[in-house]
Amino acid sequence: DAGVIQSPRHEVTEMGQEVTLRCKPISGHNSLFWYRQTMMRGLELLIYFNNNVPIDDSGMPEDRFSAKMPNASFSTLKIQPSEPRDSAVYFCASSLARGTYEQYFGPGTRLTVT
Amino acid sequence: GENVEQHPSTLSVQEGDSAVIKCTYSDSASNYFPWYKQELGKGPQLIIDIRSNVGEKKDQRIAVTLNKTAKHFSLHITETQPEDSAVYFCAASIGGGGADGLTFGKGTHLIIQP
Repeated sequence: DAGVIQSPRHEVTEMGQEVTLRCKPISGHNSLFWYRQTMMRGLELLIYFNNNVPIDDSGMPEDRFSAKMPNASFSTLKIQPSEPRDSAVYFCASSLARGTYEQYFGPGTRLTVT
Repeated sequence: GENVEQHPSTLSVQEGDSAVIKCTYSDSASNYFPWYKQELGKGPQLIIDIRSNVGEKKDQRIAVTLNKTAKHFSLHITETQPEDSAVYFCAASIGGGGADGLTFGKGTHLIIQP
């Protein structure tokens, strides 16, 4: 199994630009989570989906952030417009919603907004 | 919402000695408690977890204990080795991590001294 796949691994963009982060969950998993990691705030849950449906987006910091899951094998996290304070590592994780509790993380996307 | 406190933030131990990391949580409804290991530049890796109906779980050199009355849980690593050096995170979940998001502690930087 390839594990959770994220792209790009690194993204450098200028303030005001649109940024799109991508995630492919582990095949067969039906829950998908987006987390953000910063030195100041640690690992924070942004949003999660069960069976492609957003369940809780209370962690999304602002309306500039949006996430979609058009099918079971793909999700995007978009920031528009980006700001320097959005600089962080963004992780995607997936799990089986029933029968098990484990979440498996991808390698992350390091975003730098200048 | 849930709040997870983790101590210490940094722990240095001699190779071969034991290491203990402690966490407390605030929401008595939490029922799933995983531990993750994160190496530099990588995503968090699940190393062990425990559910609320179990008091202790062991996997080779790693063990986790849970005290639901006191709302705290701990990670124990015995016979530490250089490859144990990493940042360790505890987490808690109300709905079970598979179908619900995780709330993380701030992490413990474990340093194994040769």
